[in-house]
Amino acid sequence: DGGITQSPKYLFRKEGQNVTLSCEQNLNHDAMYWYRQDPGQGLRLIYYSQIVNDFQKGDIAEGYSVSREKKESFPLTVTSAQKNPTAFYLCASSRGGQGDTEAFFGQGTRLTVV
Amino acid sequence: GDSVTQMEGPVTLSEEAFLTINCTYTATGYPSLFWYVQYPGEGLQLLLKATKADDKGSNKGFEATYRKETTSFHLEKGSVQVSDSAVYFCALRVTDSWGKFQFGAGTQVVVTP
Repeated sequence: DGGITQSPKYLFRKEGQNVTLSCEQNLNHDAMYWYRQDPGQGLRLIYYSQIVNDFQKGDIAEGYSVSREKKESFPLTVTSAQKNPTAFYLCASSRGGQGDTEAFFGQGTRLTVV
Repeated sequence: GDSVTQMEGPVTLSEEAFLTINCTYTATGYPSLFWYVQYPGEGLQLLLKATKADDKGSNKGFEATYRKETTSFHLEKGSVQVSDSAVYFCALRVTDSWGKFQFGAGTQVVVTP
């Protein structure tokens, strides 16, 4: 079945460590997105990518990095520079820049800094 | 910039009650509009969408009509069930903005038996 797979579902990180969240899709979508969700604050865009080897900063990119070496994969690294990384992270994909197509979401990764 | 405003929650209802969640938007282009639903600990699932003015999206008893004159996309369901308890997000996508999605803050709905 086609879809988006995020792993792991739960992740614990010590302060000062970098950690990478995985996102893989087999929908043949060009566009991929990373969102952060905090309680009561909705979704905030971290990074997005429209094509392979290209990506753009979203609203809260500081302390995060991404890569898009393959169409199917869009990993997110939460660096030690991110001051408050504990959150629920959602990856999504959609068909290119067409405005009438929806985003498909993964099941999310809950990151906790211990 | 583009934005979505939806009513704050939580919205608490009894089973079989009528549900309305208000959503209004601001967009410079011609957006498509979406409603997503999120169950605890899960990702977002598309509930319905509308891509042009006066379109009505519907799914699982939920409906929303794209009202350009009032820049609104209110979600309605005539008779809610306990299983409809979730967080609902209104969202827009404007074609000329690199296809980014703009989400509202979400509205939690709690349906009691």
